[in-house]
Amino acid sequence: AQSVTQLDSHVSVSEGTPVLLRCNYSSSYSPSLFWYVQHPNKGLQLLLKYTSAATLVKGINGFEAEFKKSETSFHLTKPSAHMSDAAEYFCVVSDPRASSYKLIFGSGTRLLVRP
Amino acid sequence: DSGVTQTPKHLITATGQRVTLRCSPRSGDLSVYWYQQSLDQGLQFLIQYYNGEERAKGNILERFSAQQFPDLHSELNLSSLELGDSALYFCASSRLAGGSYEQYFGPGTRLTVT
Repeated sequence: AQSVTQLDSHVSVSEGTPVLLRCNYSSSYSPSLFWYVQHPNKGLQLLLKYTSAATLVKGINGFEAEFKKSETSFHLTKPSAHMSDAAEYFCVVSDPRASSYKLIFGSGTRLLVRP
Repeated sequence: DSGVTQTPKHLITATGQRVTLRCSPRSGDLSVYWYQQSLDQGLQFLIQYYNGEERAKGNILERFSAQQFPDLHSELNLSSLELGDSALYFCASSRLAGGSYEQYFGPGTRLTVT
C-alpha cells in the first residue's frame, strides 16, 4: 500500500528566506510523486511531478523537489519565499503502473510567509 | 485556470436532502475523478470514471453515486445528506486513466448541510 507523510503541519518563514516542506513516502515500487498547492478558497494547482525521468524536478513559481529513494523523501524547496507563496501544500503519491490513477494525498503543510 | 469547471460553487441544503454536483473536464480529457476535502478526513479520493465507465472506487459512501455522460461531463449525486457530508468536493480530470498523467483540479463545490 502507498502512503505519504508530510512532516510539518505548519511552516513559517520570512519573505526572501528559503522554504523547505518535507514529505516522506511509502511504496513498494517506484511511485509517481507530486506537489500540489491550494490557495485560500481556490482549487488545487499542480506545482511539479516526479515520474522517474530525473530526480531533481523543477516546477512552477521557482519551486523544485528532489526524489531521494534511499531516504524515501520528496521534499519541496524554494530559494526565496514570496508573500504570494502563502498557501497549503500537499504531497501526493500514485502508482504509475495502475490503470486507475488514484492520488493519495498527504495531510498538508500550511506555509505562512512573514513580511 | 485549470480548464475544469464545477457547478455550483456553493450549495446549502438540509439533512436528508439530495444534491447533484456537476463537473466538466478539460477539453480532450477522458478521465474524471471526484475528491472530498473535509477538516477531519483531509483530501480523499471518491471515484474515477474513464470514458463513461467506472474505473476505480475509493472511500465513497453508498449514499453517494456518480456517472460520466457521453459528452464526458460528470455528476456526483449525494443523497440522504448528513451534517458530516459538509465538505469541499473537487473534480479533477486527466488525459487518460493510468500511468503518470497529472490531474487538473476544478475550483470545487462547497457543500454545507444544515
